[in-house]
Amino acid sequence: ETGVTQTPRHLVMGMTNKKSLKCEQHLGHNAMYWYKQSAKKPLELMFVYSLEERVENNSVPSRFSPECPNSSHLFLHLHTLQPEDSALYLCASSQDLNSDSYEQYFGPGTRLTVT
Amino acid sequence: AQSVAQPEDQVNVAEGNPLTVKCTYSVSGNPYLFWYVQYPNRGLQFLLKYITGDNLVKGSYGFEAEFNKSQTSFHLKKPSALVSDSALYFCAVRDMVRSARQLTFGSGTQLTVLP
Repeated sequence: ETGVTQTPRHLVMGMTNKKSLKCEQHLGHNAMYWYKQSAKKPLELMFVYSLEERVENNSVPSRFSPECPNSSHLFLHLHTLQPEDSALYLCASSQDLNSDSYEQYFGPGTRLTVT
Repeated sequence: AQSVAQPEDQVNVAEGNPLTVKCTYSVSGNPYLFWYVQYPNRGLQFLLKYITGDNLVKGSYGFEAEFNKSQTSFHLKKPSALVSDSALYFCAVRDMVRSARQLTFGSGTQLTVLP
């Protein structure tokens, strides 16, 4: 594994539920990311955090709410989702945003199904 | 705006033969280019990157990529394919203009190596 863990690995939730996805990185990185991966579509960057501050929010619906309590943990809080939100949600981290050592390390993802 | 194109959704190659997975890009300024691989039920793994220097970049698992500025291409190559190389491959370009320096990914190419 790459040093980035995600829980749960699989989640099935109804449209009225509230759930949270958790990501933890053990690499000492300063930047963390949430991506959405849908079938036959490019990865969509949702949120970017650098040193626990959100630096990017790519027009993501408010039913997705990120939280970064410290540089090692990242959460994605979900509420009143739609079936089209079903996808693989990937967390990633990188050393920081500005160095050449920018390659991102990904977790295994959470497979989310909204019923 | 920057973009990445992977013109082939699927590439099939026989084991032992050379493989090429194509990628073209469009950026303003100097490109920072990356290749990632995704195995089933896993997150993306970093393979290699081009920042500056030699046009031929060597990476993990025997993969290499050739940066061609005139053709704006960054094709992934391997001299002798293995069945275990079968996976989904993503090319990405880094945005050096926006503050978050985010990656833009291609839509992915499914590589199948036939025994």
